[in-house]
Order: sequence, then C-alpha cells, then structure tokens
Amino acid sequence: EVQLVESGGGLVQPGGSLRLSCAASGFTFSSYWMTWVRQAPGKGLEWVANIKQDGSEKYYVDSVKGRFTISRDNAKNSLYLQMNSLRAEDTAVYYCARDNLSGWNFDYWGQGTLVTVSS
Amino acid sequence: QSALTQPASVSGSPGQSITISCTGTSSDVGGYNYVSWYQQHPGKAPKLMIYDVSNRPSGVSNRFSGSKSGNTASLTISGLQAEDEADYYCSSYTGSSTLVVFGGGTKLTVL
Repeated sequence: EVQLVESGGGLVQPGGSLRLSCAASGFTFSSYWMTWVRQAPGKGLEWVANIKQDGSEKYYVDSVKGRFTISRDNAKNSLYLQMNSLRAEDTAVYYCARDNLSGWNFDYWGQGTLVTVSS
Repeated sequence: QSALTQPASVSGSPGQSITISCTGTSSDVGGYNYVSWYQQHPGKAPKLMIYDVSNRPSGVSNRFSGSKSGNTASLTISGLQAEDEADYYCSSYTGSSTLVVFGGGTKLTVL
C-alpha cells in the first residue's frame, strides 16, 4: 500500500525557517517524480515544487523561488522541503504527492502538515 | 500563471448528472492534454479522479468522466450520490516555470 506521511509543520515567526519531510513507503520511491502542493486555510490548492527521480531537476512556483528548496533522499525514501524567509502568505497545509507516471498529475497524497507563519 | 477558472459551486439531486467546468488558456488547458480532476472531502487530502483529460484511475467509479473542448475542460458526475458531495479541483500542465496550475475549486452540494 502506497503511503506518504508528512511531518515538520508547526508555528514559525515571519522570516523564520522550517523543514518539512515526507516519508514514502509501498512503492519504488526512486522511480517517481515527487511534488509538494499547499492549501491555505479555506482556499484552493497550489502547486509548490517538484523534483525528478534522481534530484537532477527541480521546479518551483514563482512565489517561493529563492526561498524554498525541494530535495530528496532515495536511500531513505524521503522527500523534503526546506522553507526559508517564511511569510504570512506561506501559511497552509503542505501536502506531499507522488507524480503519476503519465505525468503532471498526482495519484497519491499524504495527509498534510500545517505550517503557520505568525508572530 | 493565473489559476484556472471554476464555478464556485454547483448542486444536484441524487441520481442526477452535473458538470463542472474548468477554463484556462491556450497556454495550459488548451495547449496540452494534461488536465486532471481531484475530489477533496473536508479535512481530507485530495484524491485523483481523472487524469490526462478523460482517464480514470483504477478504483474510481465510472460515474466520473472528463472531457475537453478548446480551453475548457469539464468533469461530469452522473448518478449523483450523497458521497459525491465534496470540493473538486481541476489542474493543468502549463509548460511554463510554474509547471502545474490548479483551479479555484468547486463545491458540489448534493441536495
């Protein structure tokens, strides 16, 4: 059974940093692109970043470029999102998702981890 | 890259059919056959319902179908059931630096 379990969320002050983790199991992690998607409270979904199977390609939504870094450790079946210079508008539930092999859609999602940026 | 446009809400009675639209541009919905639809119940993670415009993942009911015409994609749910009440989001590949864009979401109410 495919499982994705996020962790690392919490309350952080504006300008602070946080590192999210996503532990994957039930599939060959190293064979899939992986993605982070976020959802602000009461709002819609927003694609944040994704990373190729070997980590050689990474893409980001414009609003987080230069502040967030996506990475992965295939030996640990884990996906990460390092978030720096956090802003109030980064407050959201962050979901880890597996990219479907057909591309550009997400067939398995974690339960999400809440990041709150507030003083 | 702007979000795709969806109606804020739709409703239907049990057994009826409803259609949710998702309008983009030639740079996203109209330019690629990479439109997906997700169902999200309150407090839950999204679930993939349709991918590549009209394909259903294994385990998704055939009451759900997708289509596209020009810059507008559509999700149709036939034989509405109470359990279909949820938020629905479309998404599309964009080919730009923001690789994927979502719609604003549509709340489906089963009357």
